[in-house]
This record gives sequence, C-alpha cells and structure tokens, in this order.
Amino acid sequence: ETGVTQTPRHLVMGMTNKKSLKCEQHLGHNAMYWYKQSAKKPLELMFVYSLEERVENNSVPSRFSPECPNSSHLFLHLHTLQPEDSALYLCASSQQGLEGETQYFGPGTRLLVL
Amino acid sequence: KQEVTQIPAALSVPEGENLVLNCSFTDSAIYNLQWFRQDPGKGLTSLLLIQSSQREQTSGRLNASLDKSSGRSTLYIAASQPGDSATYLCAVGSGTASKLTFGTGTRLQVTL
Repeated sequence: ETGVTQTPRHLVMGMTNKKSLKCEQHLGHNAMYWYKQSAKKPLELMFVYSLEERVENNSVPSRFSPECPNSSHLFLHLHTLQPEDSALYLCASSQQGLEGETQYFGPGTRLLVL
Repeated sequence: KQEVTQIPAALSVPEGENLVLNCSFTDSAIYNLQWFRQDPGKGLTSLLLIQSSQREQTSGRLNASLDKSSGRSTLYIAASQPGDSATYLCAVGSGTASKLTFGTGTRLQVTL
C-alpha cells in the first residue's frame, strides 16, 4: 500500500467548494491513472497520464481537472461538484502505460458531496 | 464496447472450501486480464495477471484461468480462509493501451 499514496483519505465538500485530491507514487513509474468507483457500479477510468502528458480523457465532465506536474505526482482538482460525484476516487500507476502492464493502486479518497 | 460481468455478485462459504469466481467479457480482443482484491474502504491489490497468450497463472492458493475465445476467466481459491473475505474484481485490458475495463466484483465471505 505504501507504493502509491493518496491524500486526503476522506473528504466532505459542498457543491460550491474547490478542493484537490493528491496522489503520489514511489515506484519509479511513468504512467498514472485516476479511476472513479461509485456504489454498485464498476470502476470507471477517468484519466491516464504517461510521462506527464494526458493520453486518455474518458469523457469526464470539466468540473474534474487533472494535473500531472511530474511522473511521481498526480492531482485531481474538483470544483462545483454534484452529489452524484460522491464516490471512491482511486489513483494507480504502471511502468510505462503500455498494454500488458500491472497497475498498482492507492488506497483511494472517499469523497462525499453535499 | 467491452463489458465485463462477474458472477456471483456475492458468495458465502465455510472455511476450508474450494471455490470458483467467474468473469466473462464481451470482446475477446484483449491483451490481458487481471484479478484484484479489494478490502472494504481500501484500494485494489493485484492478485494475478494473465497475458492474452497465456492460459493460466498461479500464486499460492490462487489459480486464474483464461479462455479468450469464449470470453471467460475463472479465479479458483483453494482451502479458503476467513482472511480471504473481500471483494474480488476482474479487469480486462483491451482497446487503448493500458485501459482496463472492470466488472462489478464478487463479494466473498468466508465463515468460521
């Protein structure tokens, strides 16, 4: 679990707030991912970064804004969220972002939007 | 569009039993399949990764098989223990490199 860390672990925010989720990986990987896990639904891929460039945006609303300043850090900036955005947000990393690689996951941030 | 289904959604077994979890996917053009474990409120732990050219992978009491042509995978857990209680997720790698499509999981409870 210490390979990929996420902060905060829990977050409660109002619909008008702005907050950020942080992910850090200590595995020397070059690719990082954001996933959303809602109750009773499969994990959904949101964004993929490889070598700090966004390579995938899975039709995510603009109220979610990712940032990858370097290969070890990934942020998800949140603004004007809706109650249906409440979910577990998981970060993952892999070696190069190529097919066939194992992805390593962080513990997640449990987000509640009121 | 790739879709992944896991059956059953929940399973309760007594300690010591062998059990099988099932995963099916609609598009057989995959490059790998991965089984994960998720404990309540926690992230995912990778258990086994099977490349598309492989038929099975083993790790300790776990054995995962892959039949790409029929779009199926199974995770076999031998001699189950209470510590195996968790949600088991199947994820298929296909399409864009590194993109995983997940099933909704099987929630396993192993009772004493």
